[in-house]
Amino acid sequence: DAKTTQPTSMDCAEGRAANLPCNHSTISGNEYVYWYRQIHSQGPQYIIHGLKNNETNEMASLIITEDRKSSTLILPHATLRDTAVYYCIVRGRNTDKLIFGTGTRLQVFP
Amino acid sequence: DSGVTQTPKHLITATGQRVTLRCSPRSGDLSVYWYQQSLDQGLQFLIQYYNGEERAKGNILERFSAQQFPDLHSELNLSSLELGDSALYFCASSADTPPYEQYFGPGTRLTVT
Repeated sequence: DAKTTQPTSMDCAEGRAANLPCNHSTISGNEYVYWYRQIHSQGPQYIIHGLKNNETNEMASLIITEDRKSSTLILPHATLRDTAVYYCIVRGRNTDKLIFGTGTRLQVFP
Repeated sequence: DSGVTQTPKHLITATGQRVTLRCSPRSGDLSVYWYQQSLDQGLQFLIQYYNGEERAKGNILERFSAQQFPDLHSELNLSSLELGDSALYFCASSADTPPYEQYFGPGTRLTVT
């Protein structure tokens, strides 16, 4: 599985968009990009995934660059409840386990 | 609510003891995964079961074992417990079709004293 690089921490004002970057320069063609988050010590929560195209769901948007070497998770209107550690994970289609890095600790402030 | 349940929520036990953690996957999910999260190691994959059979193994100690039963619930057995086994243990389940997104339970916090 490809290695990902994320900033250790980020801050965001409540109501503003939070843009969380992830580098995955060694990603191969059949690998998906997944985003999960973990609020305090709760179980990780699936947010979104993508292969090539940009994706949007009720939680977030995922922007993947054309060369697929990086991506950005966008929380359009961050709230205090979005304070969490966000993990970007690259995983092959047939590789079932998730390999978690250290993630980005997002702090949303009032 | 992910639909994955885990019991117990908290467990406190002594070194050398044995415990069993239980997980019920989301309805219809055949795959169950176990992860360990300790302060110094982060989230680490332990083992995966698919429809009763072991499918993948990660950094699981020999003192640990798991199984998945015909009703698809899974148990993680931890024996000869050491202080370093204190951690959060998460179970996740996934559907049988790509892209296999995993849904996590609330975890069991194990404290070994």
